[in-house]
This record gives sequence, C-alpha cells and structure tokens, in this order.
Amino acid sequence: DTAVSQTPKYLVTQMGNDKSIKCEQNLGHDTMYWYKQDSKKFLKIMFSYNNKELIINETVPNRFSPKSPDKAHLNLHINSLELGDSAVYFCASSQEGIAGLFFGPGTRLTVL
Amino acid sequence: GDSVTQMEGPVTLSEEAFLTINCTYTATGYPSLFWYVQYPGEGLQLLLKATKADDKGSNKGFEATYRKETTSFHLEKGSVQVSDSAVYFCALSPASYGKLTFGQGTILTVHP
Repeated sequence: DTAVSQTPKYLVTQMGNDKSIKCEQNLGHDTMYWYKQDSKKFLKIMFSYNNKELIINETVPNRFSPKSPDKAHLNLHINSLELGDSAVYFCASSQEGIAGLFFGPGTRLTVL
Repeated sequence: GDSVTQMEGPVTLSEEAFLTINCTYTATGYPSLFWYVQYPGEGLQLLLKATKADDKGSNKGFEATYRKETTSFHLEKGSVQVSDSAVYFCALSPASYGKLTFGQGTILTVHP
C-alpha cells in the first residue's frame, strides 16, 4: 500500500542518453512535485503540477520535461543526460488543507 | 524569497544525550514549518509540523516550537537513540499547503 511510489529506484546510464522516471500516488492528492537532491543532500524543487496543470517550473534546463497524464501520475523525462544530472530525484504529493508533502522513496540517477 | 537555515553538521552524539538542531527561517506572511527525517537509503518522512505561531509539533520524542518573534523552529529530543541516526531537514511552506523550501539538512550520528 505504498502512498507515493517511483520507478526505477536506481538508474545508471551513459551521458547523452534519454531516460524517464515514473511516479504514482494513491493518496488522492491534487498536487505533485519533483525535487532534486544533490550529493550534499540539498533539496530543490523542480516542478509542481496541480490537477495535471503545471504550476511551478523552477530554473531547470529544458532537457527536463515533466508530464502528468492524470492527477495520480507525474513522470519526469530527461533528454541528453549530463554528468551533473547525477542526483536523487524525489517525487512528492500534497493536498489542499493538509500541511506537508508526502515523498516517494527516490530514484538515484547516475550518469557515467 | 523564502529561505531556511539549519545549523551546520554533522552532529555526533552518544546514546541518551540531549539533541538540539537549530533552524531559522525567512519568509513573508505566516508560513507553516516542518521537520523531515531521511534515514539512510530512504525517502523523506514528515517528523512533525506547526502551522501557526506558538504551536508545538511533536512526534517520536522530538519536539519543535514555532517562534515567530525569533523566526525559529529548533528541533529537540531529550534522549537520542542509535536508531535516530539520519539526516534532518527543516522546511517551510508559504501557505497551509504547497511547495516546501528546505534547509541544507543536518546529519545526525548517534553512537552506542
């Protein structure tokens, strides 16, 4: 009964490749997010969707493209991967009226 | 913009020692404040929260009080255990729900 799930958990790939990370939440929340955690553990928001509509798009290279097919899913596609994209990517969700975000287990991306 | 500053880590304690991790914030209006914990290899879990001034959040022996006059939300625990070893993040959201801005995280190691 995982609340927020992500696949894959680990992703190792070569520079220049294109990859996707998938996220699903079964909490019925209306807002979903992608966060990036760097090697120093710093967390920074990348995107947020509310009911399939993009509402936050921080300064992220346009090689990163989120897609939300429905309000329970938010996928992240990354084109032309670079070494600096290596990080842990967390999906999260929230619901209006409830303070706080619920996070997925993370996807560790390693670009070689 | 909004920001969160946590005390520098890492913090190393012996079991049963008293823990304080300082957190201060800068925000307009009346943000909600949170502490999240990340155990090794896992995602972030909400530890406690406070949504208005003077509220005290508590969970698993941890406490933090929302102090608007000092813009602080320090985390405390009276007696830490080895199992508390993790990374602790202070965070804020500008409204009752929505995106979180995180501090840089504090690594806590508790020795037997």
